[in-house]
Amino acid sequence: DTGVSQDPRHKITKRGQNVTFRCDPISEHNRLYWYRQTLGQGPEFLTYFQNEAQLEKSRLLSDRFSAERPKGSFSTLEIQRTEQGDSAMYLCASRDLGETQYFGPGTRLLVL
Amino acid sequence: GEDVEQSLFLSVREGDSSVINCTYTDSSSTYLYWYKQEPGAGLQLLTYIFSNMDMKQDQRLTVLLNKKDKHLSLRIADTQTGDSAIYFCAESTSGTYKYIFGTGTRLKVLA
Repeated sequence: DTGVSQDPRHKITKRGQNVTFRCDPISEHNRLYWYRQTLGQGPEFLTYFQNEAQLEKSRLLSDRFSAERPKGSFSTLEIQRTEQGDSAMYLCASRDLGETQYFGPGTRLLVL
Repeated sequence: GEDVEQSLFLSVREGDSSVINCTYTDSSSTYLYWYKQEPGAGLQLLTYIFSNMDMKQDQRLTVLLNKKDKHLSLRIADTQTGDSAIYFCAESTSGTYKYIFGTGTRLKVLA
């Protein structure tokens, strides 16, 4: 499978714990996006990488959220001191020079 | 700020046409997109239109853009049960990298 992959697919954690999610984009894609999707809503943009550079971050991305793409390939999204409001589906997408974003299956986070 | 709005539900009979509507607020939108999300599956781009176009047709899909009214629609001809899904409208703007998605329209196709 040469699509976008995300790991883990599901994560249950207790409030206050840190979690980290990984996204592996399509190999030749230099653009990578993170989104958050809650039930009944569309995806909300969180951040964008072009190669290893983080070029845009949403105001939604509080100090507890950090994303990296150290070698311009895979990316990680870390949430520190999780809160119940962080429960959501976290989506990753990648694209090349064209307009098509290819989405991964998402990581569903539940904070108890 | 930017906002994209859609009606929540649409129900049609198999074989009929479906029309899903979307309104947006950002007059500097560059591209407008339609995505499909099926249960347990990731979002899939169906089609997109550049803001200087007013119509795009792709097989059973027709996109209409009224830039003056900031209104986008997706028409699905000969709707099939496999078209049942949530459809998201999204927009992007030149000079920013972010995409703004609507809340999604759940399409139910009745056999």
